[in-house]
Amino acid sequence: TQLLEQSPQFLSIQEGENLTVYCNSSSVFSSLQWYRQEPGEGPVLLVTVVTGGEVKKLKRLTFQFGDARKDSSLHITAAQPGDTGLYLCAVAGGTSYGKLTFGQGTILTVHP
Amino acid sequence: SQTIHQWPATLVQPVGSPLSLECTVEGTSNPNLYWYRQAAGRGLQLLFYSVGIGQISSEVPQNLSASRPQDRQFILSSKKLLLSDSGFYLCAWDPGSGNTIYFGEGSWLTVV
Repeated sequence: TQLLEQSPQFLSIQEGENLTVYCNSSSVFSSLQWYRQEPGEGPVLLVTVVTGGEVKKLKRLTFQFGDARKDSSLHITAAQPGDTGLYLCAVAGGTSYGKLTFGQGTILTVHP
Repeated sequence: SQTIHQWPATLVQPVGSPLSLECTVEGTSNPNLYWYRQAAGRGLQLLFYSVGIGQISSEVPQNLSASRPQDRQFILSSKKLLLSDSGFYLCAWDPGSGNTIYFGEGSWLTVV
């Protein structure tokens, strides 16, 4: 079983639509990160959430950390083709921050 | 500014041949270094991490090994590649403090 379950695995939408991606676990985390990855490149950090119930906004992207710090969501408003990519949630383990456990990711395709 | 570079970008190797992927970080000292593998464009799996020269920790049993001969150099190796070693390999670093990890451009390995 995966520590982090992401859903949906695939999402194909039209430009201008809204969407939400989920990252769920039965474990409690001190923090959770969201990354975006384009084909053939490394993931790029979008946001880190650390407080239960926290909401962070990054332009058209809204990230929320669950009250119990077991889950998180990423909501994109008015999606654009440039939002296309692989969205990954991840949690850190141990004393080295970079020891990350990733979800399996959500592949988002936004059609013009 | 700090940069991370890994090479080669793509590699096609026959089964049983050796492997060497290199990664260097510039503009920082004593970083934590990581090797991740990503299969089929989905979640990343941590293979090795290093907190200092000559210090390597393996996260999963496998056919690969890692070495850190210099502070900002991290090498992923294999003596005899298997078909199952194919994938997208990502080097990453973090400064040992704070909460951000930076990924390299990735290396595509195809074992045939």
